[in-house]
Formats: sequence, structure tokens, C-alpha cells
Amino acid sequence: GDSVTQMEGPVTLSEEAFLTINCTYTATGYPSLFWYVQYPGEGLQLLLKATKADDKGSNKGFEATYRKETTSFHLEKGSVQVSDSAVYFCALSTSNTGNQFYFGTGTSLTVIP
Amino acid sequence: KAGVTQTPRYLIKTRGQQVTLSCSPISGHRSVSWYQQTPGQGLQFLFEYFSETQRNKGNFPGRFSGRQFSNSRSEMNVSTLELGDSALYLCASSLAANYGYTFGSGTRLTVV
Repeated sequence: GDSVTQMEGPVTLSEEAFLTINCTYTATGYPSLFWYVQYPGEGLQLLLKATKADDKGSNKGFEATYRKETTSFHLEKGSVQVSDSAVYFCALSTSNTGNQFYFGTGTSLTVIP
Repeated sequence: KAGVTQTPRYLIKTRGQQVTLSCSPISGHRSVSWYQQTPGQGLQFLFEYFSETQRNKGNFPGRFSGRQFSNSRSEMNVSTLELGDSALYLCASSLAANYGYTFGSGTRLTVV
């Protein structure tokens, strides 16, 4: 079945460090891929998405490229800030099964000044 | 435009009681999904409704049920509450699978 495997956390980085959070997926069909972010006490917010192979999603300095050959969608940011501290979820959806999304387990990021 | 609204934000219930949570999706979104989030299990899919019909269902016992109204608003109900039902319940609405979800802030349910 469809699934997402996400890098285990927690991840602790110093401000201005480079961030990579790995995400790989298994899917039948042609999934759309997403990164969501959850700040403490809040729901999930869509960070970026890519709907087909080789697409790059970007937002707020974060980027991820849909790599079909490696079934990956790794999240990157060149210089993290304290305000980026949150939990990040990778997710996929396929239109095969209505609007069911498959989420990774989440990666907690803490950025220290 | 208004986001996804979930009510109430916080709820404390006693074992054995039942609870109803409400979700108002973004205007025009006909798909509404519910997730349970706990520290141990992460995000678990409960069900999805589209045009008042349940289209997908996760692996939860029959105590968990939902419905969707003609205005796309949705409710979920949990009967005979157990301590393990304590969780953050998230509602999300969507236009289509490749648009992504918009989540509400969630309802924090505590069962004592």
C-alpha cells in the first residue's frame, strides 16, 4: 500500500545551519507530495507541495524536489532560524483513493540561537 | 477567506461518555477528513467525507463515527469514551487530492 517514510528525529541545529529532512515514499499511481509543518498547540499547515516528477516546491526558504527515480521528497533549507522550530510531516496523496493522505511520523526540529 | 474551524478547542470528558466534535471547512471544499493525533501513534486517518458520503475509512472501531451535512460541515462522534481516546483531533478540508489539505487547529480531547 501507499506509505511515507520520514527521517527520525528529533533534530537540533544551530541558527543559520543547513537543514535536510529525508522523506521517501511508496505509492501506486502518481502521487502528489507535500510537506506540512506543525507549531506547538496548532494544527498542520501546508508548507509546500509538488504534484509531478521533477517539480520543486518552495516556500519561506524551504525547498523539496519530487524525485521519481529515488521515490524521495527531501526537505531542505539553507539557513534555519529559531522560528523554524516545529514538527515537519511529509505526506502523499493519490487520487486513486479519494482524498486520503498518508503522513510520515513527523520530524521534530529545534533551532538554537 | 476563513480557514477550517473546529469547535470546541478543548474538551474534558469522563470514561463512558460520548462526544461530538464539529468542523466547518473552507467555503467550496467538499472533502472533509478527520485525523487523530497522539504522541505514540502520530497522525492516524479516521475517515473522509465528500458530498455527505463517507468515501474512505481508517482502521478505527465503530465507536468512532462521522457525518457530513449538505453545507459540507462535518461532525465526528465518539461513543463510550476510553482513556486511550485522549488525543488531538484534526479536521482538514480539501478541493482535491493534489491541492493538499487545509487543517483546522484541532480539538484537544482529554478523557479522565
